[in-house]
Amino acid sequence: NAGVTQTPKFQVLKTGQSMTLQCAQDMNHEYMSWYRQDPGMGLRLIHYSVGAGITDQGEVPNGYNVSRSTTEDFPLRLLSAAPSQTSVYFCASSYSSLAGVYEQYFGPGTRLTVT
Amino acid sequence: DAKTTQPTSMDCAEGRAANLPCNHSTISGNEYVYWYRQIHSQGPQYIIHGLKNNETNEMASLIITEDRKSSTLILPHATLRDTAVYYCIVRVANSPGRRALTFGSGTRLQVQP
Repeated sequence: NAGVTQTPKFQVLKTGQSMTLQCAQDMNHEYMSWYRQDPGMGLRLIHYSVGAGITDQGEVPNGYNVSRSTTEDFPLRLLSAAPSQTSVYFCASSYSSLAGVYEQYFGPGTRLTVT
Repeated sequence: DAKTTQPTSMDCAEGRAANLPCNHSTISGNEYVYWYRQIHSQGPQYIIHGLKNNETNEMASLIITEDRKSSTLILPHATLRDTAVYYCIVRVANSPGRRALTFGSGTRLQVQP
């Protein structure tokens, strides 16, 4: 299993440009999410999905769109990049168990700089 | 989800036990305590979780007080590779749409040679 993969690893954008951060998992997890981490800070939730076709907003959704057409993929779209979106972006996925306790698996991150 | 309080930073000597405290005085009866760590800006890594009983796995032990208002993560023999930021998170486990983790600032553990 590759686990959770993210591409690209690094990206530099100019203000106003758009792009898509890719996230894929091969563990058949129904739950996926996107977080951002600013320097010296904890992670903040952007968007999440509890299954294909279902998405919802997290703590800091403005400026980002998501879709979930398959179980495996959960891309994050930046509509019009702003310097405030300079951050490290992490994708995560998790499974469910009979105990209902969810261990989340994180990808390696995408480091985005907006100039 | 209950709020947690952790020390900003801690040091530990290599080979010794690292004891990382977490206060969660407003925890509810159906909330679990999770611990994750983040090594050098990598993605966070799950360590352990518990509800009320003490738990142990290959990575660490989790000690939860009887009133559940605080807990301690124990790394029994810390190595330099355990240098990381450790996050204590309290949340309801089985709640659809609420599986997101709320990360605070965590405790920066520095293992000294």
